[in-house]
Amino acid sequence: KAGVTQTPRYLIKTRGQQVTLSCSPISGHRSVSWYQQTPGQGLQFLFEYFSETQRNKGNFPGRFSGRQFSNSRSEMNVSTLELGDSALYLCASSSVAGAAWEQFFGPGTRLTVL
Amino acid sequence: GQSLEQPSEVTAVEGAIVQINCTYQTSGFYGLSWYQQHDGGAPTFLSYNGLDGLEETGRFSSFLSRSDSYGYLLLQELQMKDSASYFCAVLQGGKLIFGQGTELSVKP
Repeated sequence: KAGVTQTPRYLIKTRGQQVTLSCSPISGHRSVSWYQQTPGQGLQFLFEYFSETQRNKGNFPGRFSGRQFSNSRSEMNVSTLELGDSALYLCASSSVAGAAWEQFFGPGTRLTVL
Repeated sequence: GQSLEQPSEVTAVEGAIVQINCTYQTSGFYGLSWYQQHDGGAPTFLSYNGLDGLEETGRFSSFLSRSDSYGYLLLQELQMKDSASYFCAVLQGGKLIFGQGTELSVKP
């Protein structure tokens, strides 16, 4: 069974731009969670989608948004990029709703904002 | 709210045993998970403790004491490939909340 895939793997943007990241979960998994990882803040929960509905949201500004499609693939969007948005963005999938104990992570998208 | 405390760095030698501690403060507790992340890689699930006691999976064991709000990950027969960051995590309000991570360095 293929693992979680994320595209693109690397991205360089400038302040003020917007970006869309994509995540394809493991086949059969309907829950997709997104995390931001930075050296200073660690792994922080962004949001979780299950069956195309956002179930939970972390403490991030409204510039961070996401959605999930009927095939469980998910996208997250960051608008009006700031330097502090530079991070590794990870998505994780699980077979159950509500951020399961065991989540399967993708390799991440490394976003650099200049 | 919730907070998890774990040491930032641990160093050990190949073949040794190392314990990585995690203390937590959460409003509502449903168990403690552990994840491993190699530099530049994806976090991978190691273990989960929902009840007090020890869970063993090969060279790795994890322990939980809910009365002490404390858990640990025990790595035995350390190998060079165990050099990685290790994160404890708790489920809080449908979100998986991670500790800051412990960077384990295994020396020859």
